[in-house]
Amino acid sequence: DTVLTQSPALAVSPGERVTISCRASESVSTLMHWYQQKPGQQPKLLIYLASHLESGVPARFSGSGSGTDFTLTIDPVEADDTATYYCQQSWNDPDTFGAGTKLELK
Amino acid sequence: QVTLKESGPGILQPSQTLSLTCSFSGFLLSASSVGVGWIRQPSGKGLEWLATIGWEDVKHYNPSLKSRLTISKDTSNNQVFLKITSVDTADTGTYYCAHSYNNWYFDFWGPGTMVTVSS
Repeated sequence: DTVLTQSPALAVSPGERVTISCRASESVSTLMHWYQQKPGQQPKLLIYLASHLESGVPARFSGSGSGTDFTLTIDPVEADDTATYYCQQSWNDPDTFGAGTKLELK
Repeated sequence: QVTLKESGPGILQPSQTLSLTCSFSGFLLSASSVGVGWIRQPSGKGLEWLATIGWEDVKHYNPSLKSRLTISKDTSNNQVFLKITSVDTADTGTYYCAHSYNNWYFDFWGPGTMVTVSS
């Protein structure tokens, strides 16, 4: 299976720029997607196909990358962005998710 | 407006079969590029994709669980089902169903249903 590696946690101040990385163990082309999950809620799609902003998601969120290295950027970070962020690849079978990056605000 | 909602037994005993239902509205599972997938999440842990059924009735399973999974659909009643046989405590968690676009990503999710396997 394709392993997606994410940093476990980050802490930033409101107004700052934060980048969350996701590294794949093999190429996933651009079939990488990002989700936000707040406690007690279902995941919410933020970015699909590496860089496409899902409808209704604030433009503060952006995605980039291809192959094995991907980044989710939030700029500027707001207090409401406190959540766990997951990457998911769908290029290789089976679909896999990263373990998640917990974003905390200082 | 796309909505999905999962339903399940809540609690079941080891070795039993888990039966889950996803009831959805706002889209047709017969439409091109549309699918419904199941993803689960043990409490406090990450997400694991289980299975997806597509508009052409093509079924995709996670190989690690394939022998225990069966996904099916009732297009006329807008429902998708997932059965997991021989459950054990490791199957405890929240089970989500989600709308899948082109078998690529999950753009609409249900609120999830909690399943506990305990003797």
